[in-house]
Amino acid sequence: SQQGEEDPQALSIQEGENATMNCSYKTSINNLQWYRQNSGRGLVHLILIRSNEREKHSGRLRVTLDTSKKSSSLLITASRAADTASYFCATASGYSTLTFGKGTMLLVSP
Amino acid sequence: NAGVTQTPKFQVLKTGQSMTLQCAQDMNHNSMYWYRQDPGMGLRLIYYSASEGTTDKGEVPNGYNVSRLNKREFSLRLESAAPSQTSVYFCASSSSGGGETQYFGPGTRLLVL
Repeated sequence: SQQGEEDPQALSIQEGENATMNCSYKTSINNLQWYRQNSGRGLVHLILIRSNEREKHSGRLRVTLDTSKKSSSLLITASRAADTASYFCATASGYSTLTFGKGTMLLVSP
Repeated sequence: NAGVTQTPKFQVLKTGQSMTLQCAQDMNHNSMYWYRQDPGMGLRLIYYSASEGTTDKGEVPNGYNVSRLNKREFSLRLESAAPSQTSVYFCASSSSGGGETQYFGPGTRLLVL
């Protein structure tokens, strides 16, 4: 069953704008990961944030984690058309395998 | 370094036919996974292999079998395909089990008529 739940389901923005998508989960986690999927392709790992971390950066990506609210957000700054993709959060709990959410579809228009 | 490879890329089957999806990784990873992705459902874990010689059921194992042939290869078999198994199948691997980063193959699109 899905642990992470992304919000919104779909997001449409213009190039240069920032894109923010959120992930909520239900049980305590060891880490939370974000993946990108371009249309028809496999998922690509973007960033991992551990339960004892609050914020992490990677290039134009910024991820925050609030364990008290059981939520995370992914911010993509200065979006480009090439950022058009689906974005998934995945949670790791205990010794279990990753559990993926249903994803947010991001469309960045030129 | 090819990463995770999957064959075939596309397959059309008739109901009741069988087939095996192949997956191989060249990253010396211990753990391997099979997922299916359906519209609006996200990724659902079918089976996984935490290490060579072990396999475990995931969320949706019914109708599937797996074989961890060696450390590199993990195959998924549909013994008697059903239209409900029409989906995109992804194989992934990670250095170890649990919540480690997973690396995905390009996927196999399967249509069961």
